[in-house]
Amino acid sequence: DQQVKQNSPSLSVQEGRISILNCDYTNSMFDYFLWYKKYPAEGPTFLISISSIKDKNEDGRFTVFLNKSAKHLSLHIVPSQPGDSAVYFCAASAGTGRRALTFGSGTRLQVQP
Amino acid sequence: EAGVVQSPRYKIIEKKQPVAFWCNPISGHNTLYWYRQNLGQGPELLIRYENEEAVDDSQLPKDRFSAERLKGVDSTLKIQPAELGDSAVYLCASSSRGSGNQETQYFGPGTRLLVL
Repeated sequence: DQQVKQNSPSLSVQEGRISILNCDYTNSMFDYFLWYKKYPAEGPTFLISISSIKDKNEDGRFTVFLNKSAKHLSLHIVPSQPGDSAVYFCAASAGTGRRALTFGSGTRLQVQP
Repeated sequence: EAGVVQSPRYKIIEKKQPVAFWCNPISGHNTLYWYRQNLGQGPELLIRYENEEAVDDSQLPKDRFSAERLKGVDSTLKIQPAELGDSAVYLCASSSRGSGNQETQYFGPGTRLLVL
């Protein structure tokens, strides 16, 4: 049973446009959500996070939106740049403190110059 | 600040052979995680350490996998004997407490294992 789902395995956008990556979850106990970016042959790199007490968190070109009622979150990248081309993983954890992350299967983003 | 260090980066072995992976977490990070990532999937937790204590090893296949974290710093993950299905990327992560009592995990580059 996949508790965190990324239903789009790939996404292609033009440079300068907005990239929207989506993630759905089923476990209502999840209260902390993160996005990681992964380049080939490297480990996942932390990008941005959001706590369940918020519905939006912004960091430069990256914004994460959380819709708790729909159990849905999304990552917006604007404007998209060719260097953003990577695999993006959505992850979630339950409870405060140190908890294992449950990851989605990832979305490969390709930003076309 | 140095990130999470893992070695080796790549390992090719024949089935039934033993293999070991090493991880050095970010300095000051007391919590260490081992994840396994199969092709086309997200990482899945194998074991979590708080200092030298394994506090969550429910997903570790204990018949062939073992891990240790002596002195609460470096950690090793061992597979003996390896099976074809163990081919994957093994990721080590460490974490620190951030704002709002939440943790952010930082990952190493991983060890890519191929079992022939």
